[in-house]
Amino acid sequence: DQQVKQNSPSLSVQEGRISILNCDYTNSMFDYFLWYKKYPAEGPTFLISISSIKDKNEDGRFTVFLNKSAKHLSLHIVPSQPGDSAVYFCAASGPGNTGKLIFGQGTTLQVKP
Amino acid sequence: DTAVSQTPKYLVTQMGNDKSIKCEQNLGHDTMYWYKQDSKKFLKIMFSYNNKELIINETVPNRFSPKSPDKAHLNLHINSLELGDSAVYFCASSGEGGAGEQFFGPGTRLTVL
Repeated sequence: DQQVKQNSPSLSVQEGRISILNCDYTNSMFDYFLWYKKYPAEGPTFLISISSIKDKNEDGRFTVFLNKSAKHLSLHIVPSQPGDSAVYFCAASGPGNTGKLIFGQGTTLQVKP
Repeated sequence: DTAVSQTPKYLVTQMGNDKSIKCEQNLGHDTMYWYKQDSKKFLKIMFSYNNKELIINETVPNRFSPKSPDKAHLNLHINSLELGDSAVYFCASSGEGGAGEQFFGPGTRLTVL
């Protein structure tokens, strides 16, 4: 029973273009969503988050969009850079301050120079 | 300075052995976690401790026993290792006990032969 799903195992984009990574969830009680980035042989590092009371959060080149009615969120990276090549994990938590993150299976992003 | 550190980074052992993985964080966080990333790359929470108190205990075999001597350390002891225990184990910590971002260690790759 996978409550958080990233249906695209991989994505390849050209440097300078937009990368869009998608994530779907099934549990309507989730109220906080996060994106993590992971390089090989390293731990995941936090990228950006969004609360369920918002529909957009922006941080530099990274923007997360939340569509609660569709139970869908997406991460936009623009412009994409070769250093963005990594595995991106979507995660969800809630309701409330549980500390329990449910992760998707990850999407491998390759940004080509 | 490493925020969340784990030792060892690699661990190769025989079935039936007992082994421990250590985790330390110097972020002053109150909550620490153990995650398991299996061969299919799913990251799943195993345990969390808040100020040395067990908060989350997922359906993990009781061969796995976390120990928190103080709030900066959360060690994972595994008894009678099985082939299926082979995975990458990540330690993490957070300062808000829930909705805040979690900071991950570099991971320990455990291989059971």
